[in-house]
Amino acid sequence: DSGVTQTPKHLITATGQRVTLRCSPRSGDLSVYWYQQSLDQGLQFLIQYYNGEERAKGNILERFSAQQFPDLHSELNLSSLELGDSALYFCASSAQDRYTEAFFGQGTRLTVV
Amino acid sequence: QKEVEQDPGPLSVPEGAIVSLNCTYSNSAFQYFMWYRQYSRKGPELLMYTYSSGNKEDGRFTAQVDKSSKYISLFIRDSQPSDSATYLCAMSGRGGSNYKLTFGKGTLLTVNP
Repeated sequence: DSGVTQTPKHLITATGQRVTLRCSPRSGDLSVYWYQQSLDQGLQFLIQYYNGEERAKGNILERFSAQQFPDLHSELNLSSLELGDSALYFCASSAQDRYTEAFFGQGTRLTVV
Repeated sequence: QKEVEQDPGPLSVPEGAIVSLNCTYSNSAFQYFMWYRQYSRKGPELLMYTYSSGNKEDGRFTAQVDKSSKYISLFIRDSQPSDSATYLCAMSGRGGSNYKLTFGKGTLLTVNP
């Protein structure tokens, strides 16, 4: 168990809908990262938050947004969902900026039908 | 050209074999090199990380980085059936906006008893 908790584990929703994925980082970790894993693209970095502030952005679509709250948990919001958004979404956390030692959660499997 | 290339395998070996997993990369700014193990339906788990060139050993695992060739390797000695998983290499730069990890697509390894 990495100590990173993601909910829900599975999510099935229809095209055009909006969903929220939640992540609780390891105790004491200030950095949270979101990744998308699909069969054809592999693991792709989406966005990073550090102590409530956006730190880095990767290949995140405009339909997607994230935030980190004062208690350090983070949410990834996906809207206007398309079939191609079906993937595993992982949250990872690390102590301060030790991004080389990021610990991943179990992921949320999103299926868009 | 993708920033990180990794042979997807699959790779099948008998128990006790020495396994060699490799990645090549094109971005000379990469300075941190990681190996993650991902079991089916689980999140990636950090195995080892190395800074710049050189070797690092941890039990049955040895990571090698050759920056001049832009080539990294993970060796697993005395492989066990429990090592059966997908192995992902990951890399990042240092500081600034280089917080994201860039992953290879992973190599699926099966160790047969």
